[in-house]
Amino acid sequence: DTGVSQDPRHKITKRGQNVTFRCDPISEHNRLYWYRQTLGQGPEFLTYFQNEAQLEKSRLLSDRFSAERPKGSFSTLEIQRTEQGDSAMYLCASSILHGVETQYFGPGTRLLVL
Amino acid sequence: DQQVKQNSPSLSVQEGRISILNCDYTNSMFDYFLWYKKYPAEGPTFLISISSIKDKNEDGRFTVFLNKSAKHLSLHIVPSQPGDSAVYFCAASASISGYSTLTFGKGTMLLVSP
Repeated sequence: DTGVSQDPRHKITKRGQNVTFRCDPISEHNRLYWYRQTLGQGPEFLTYFQNEAQLEKSRLLSDRFSAERPKGSFSTLEIQRTEQGDSAMYLCASSILHGVETQYFGPGTRLLVL
Repeated sequence: DQQVKQNSPSLSVQEGRISILNCDYTNSMFDYFLWYKKYPAEGPTFLISISSIKDKNEDGRFTVFLNKSAKHLSLHIVPSQPGDSAVYFCAASASISGYSTLTFGKGTMLLVSP
């Protein structure tokens, strides 16, 4: 399977704990996006990488959130001091520009903060 | 302010009939539009897209129509099949930024009954 993969698929944590999610994009894709989806809403943009450079961050990404993409391959999203409001599905997408750009999504990581 | 709106939360259609899902947008900078299909607990799956230079794009049973003057697009599924039952998201991006952060609608749940 050469699609986008995410790990873990599910995470339950207690409020105040730190969590880290991983995304492995499609191998030739140099662009990587993180989105967050809550119940009844569409996915909302969090941050964007082109290769290893983080080029944009949404105002949704508070100081407790940090994302990295070392070597321009896989990416990690860390949430420090989790809050109940962080409970959501965290989605990763990758793409490559070929005239137009189509993003392909991974299966997501569902986070529940108790 | 929601820039992409899907005003129908749900749609029920009989197998074999046409399903029409609608989407409206407000940002005139959007120039690329995509439809994604999402099953519960999975990431969005890309279905079909259309660039603003076109008014129609067809792929098998799926056709997307774009009316730029009305800032409206629609997805037609003909014939509808029970396996099409899922949540459908409309998404839009503006290439002027140099990359394609997607803005999503809230989704329409399609139920196709046998």
